[in-house]
Amino acid sequence: RKEVEQDPGPFNVPEGATVAFNCTYSNSASQSFFWYRQDCRKEPKLLMSVYSSGNEDGRFTAQLNRASQYISLLIRDSKLSDSATYLCVVNSGGYQKVTFGTGTKLQVIP
Amino acid sequence: NAGVTQTPKFRILKIGQSMTLQCTQDMNHNYMYWYRQDPGMGLKLIYYSVGAGITDKGEVPNGYNVSRSTTEDFPLRLELAAPSQTSVYFCAEGVGNTEAFFGQGTRLTVV
Repeated sequence: RKEVEQDPGPFNVPEGATVAFNCTYSNSASQSFFWYRQDCRKEPKLLMSVYSSGNEDGRFTAQLNRASQYISLLIRDSKLSDSATYLCVVNSGGYQKVTFGTGTKLQVIP
Repeated sequence: NAGVTQTPKFRILKIGQSMTLQCTQDMNHNYMYWYRQDPGMGLKLIYYSVGAGITDKGEVPNGYNVSRSTTEDFPLRLELAAPSQTSVYFCAEGVGNTEAFFGQGTRLTVV
């Protein structure tokens, strides 16, 4: 099993739709979690951290399920500008233990 | 503040050539990282540094070297370029073992 797994997609959704991505991780000792966004041929940019209690930032909601070892990202009212690849990042302790998922591609369609 | 600046943005190398990828940050943060990203793959950590004078290997360090003589600069050296090193290289910095902020990347092709 990979350390961090994501469905590569693509997820093709119409504008205004709600879409959710999951990311599973294998190390139960993982300590911190993040979602990054990466546009085509650009650098990854931090979207949000994922807290145990869940967190929300505008149209974006991130949640952590430690029992089932996954994190999720929910995007409400999708915009064309949300089209990107979303990377899940898991830190299992120490700088060398940061693992990036391969990303989930989202395409929002007019 | 520019954040993280990487140069060059693109480079084509011949097998066996050497080059240095430059990375500079102006945020005065201690932690810096070098990643490579291959198509369809997640980012892989090459080397990292927790402060000036301190560097350590990441997941895929073979074929690379780094130095950290100042807080601002963290260059990555390829001594004998190989086709397997064709990739996009990202330098990143952060305030700790948490989120990282990335440079715009260097696209390297080894032929």
